[in-house]
Amino acid sequence: GAGVSQSPSNKVTEKGKDVELRCDPISGHTALYWYRQSLGQGLEFLIYFQGNSAPDKSGLPSDRFSAERTGGSVSTLTIQRTQQEDSAVYLCASSGGQAYNEQFFGPGTRLTVL
Amino acid sequence: KNEVEQSPQNLTAQEGEFITINCSYSVGISALHWLQQHPGGGIVSLFMLSSGKKKHGRLIATINIQEKHSSLHITASHPRDSAVYICAVPLYGGSQGNLIFGKGTKLSVKP
Repeated sequence: GAGVSQSPSNKVTEKGKDVELRCDPISGHTALYWYRQSLGQGLEFLIYFQGNSAPDKSGLPSDRFSAERTGGSVSTLTIQRTQQEDSAVYLCASSGGQAYNEQFFGPGTRLTVL
Repeated sequence: KNEVEQSPQNLTAQEGEFITINCSYSVGISALHWLQQHPGGGIVSLFMLSSGKKKHGRLIATINIQEKHSSLHITASHPRDSAVYICAVPLYGGSQGNLIFGKGTKLSVKP
């Protein structure tokens, strides 16, 4: 595709439910990043995949958060037993190819936990 | 770990004014990003730069690696430039890896 895509664009869920957020990076990009932006807050790093290396999970806020990247392409961010403080915009970015270090951001998924 | 400071936090300008937004960081890097976020919109990468200056239309970004400082300038500002501008650098320095972000500068350009 032309850019990074994310789905769904909006997700409303009830406290305690599990959610899955999907990211389709730009084809051929080897690096994929998840960030989140809570209301009124800045962007914060969650997790980083680079090629076949073990992901950098240092930004995940709790063990309720996990992510995987299948076949070096699509990534899924899973939040288990959602809490109200998980409400945020979750952004995915990818980089690679000729513009090796530049990160291209997806439109984000707005998660609302009721 | 890197730390990023951005200023000003809020900026209101009249259409046509020259705008400057500043970013400083604490750990040496070789790639700095300027991003733009419109209200309710997604994030767009404006620049990635490692030295000197880059220009795209009315936007100019400069970086001084030795002083660990970058500026984003907007010439002949227009209401459509109203957005949040965010500076970001690699958390552990260098040029790659996850980013740490400034808190953003909210720019409002009045007609």
